[in-house]
Amino acid sequence: LAKTTQPISMDSYEGQEVNITCSHNNIATNDYITWYQQFPSQGPRFIIQGYKTKVTNEVASLFIPADRKSSTLSLPRVSLSDTAVYYCLVGGPLTTSGTYKYIFGTGTRLKVLA
Amino acid sequence: DSGVTQTPKHLITATGQRVTLRCSPRSGDLSVYWYQQSLDQGLQFLIQYYNGEERAKGNILERFSAQQFPDLHSELNLSSLELGDSALYFCASSVGPANTGELFFGEGSRLTVL
Repeated sequence: LAKTTQPISMDSYEGQEVNITCSHNNIATNDYITWYQQFPSQGPRFIIQGYKTKVTNEVASLFIPADRKSSTLSLPRVSLSDTAVYYCLVGGPLTTSGTYKYIFGTGTRLKVLA
Repeated sequence: DSGVTQTPKHLITATGQRVTLRCSPRSGDLSVYWYQQSLDQGLQFLIQYYNGEERAKGNILERFSAQQFPDLHSELNLSSLELGDSALYFCASSVGPANTGELFFGEGSRLTVL
């Protein structure tokens, strides 16, 4: 499984764009990159997933360079309610039977300041 | 609301005891995942079931066991409890066994071992 490395914490101000980068140097060919958000004492919530290039949805964008050894989650115009832990996951089917372990890293604790 | 239901929400017990945590996946989801999250720690993957069969195993202790029943609900059994087992236990579900999409998490069961 590809190991991921993220900054432990980040601070930002309301209205700013926040970019959180995740390194995954040994990502495998069939691995996808997925980001989750977790508020205290709640289960993680899916934000976005991608394989290569750029993916955008209503809450975030995910940028993946050609070598796929890193990815950047971009949160536009953050608000206080975006204060949470953000997890980057890398993985894919491990066997022909499709076993897939969703392994979470330590995450990035984002604090949005007023 | 993710559609994943976990019971009980809170549980306080003593060392050496045994508890059972229950999870009902989203309607239509065949895969169930269990995670452990200790205080200020990341999410540790424990085990995955798909349609009643074990599909992937993570850092699950021998004192812990799980199963998925024909109606697709799952139970996580924790025995010979130790203080260090105090944690939030999350259940998640997904449609397939090797889903490259979204995991849906429940609100968790908070276990306190005294």
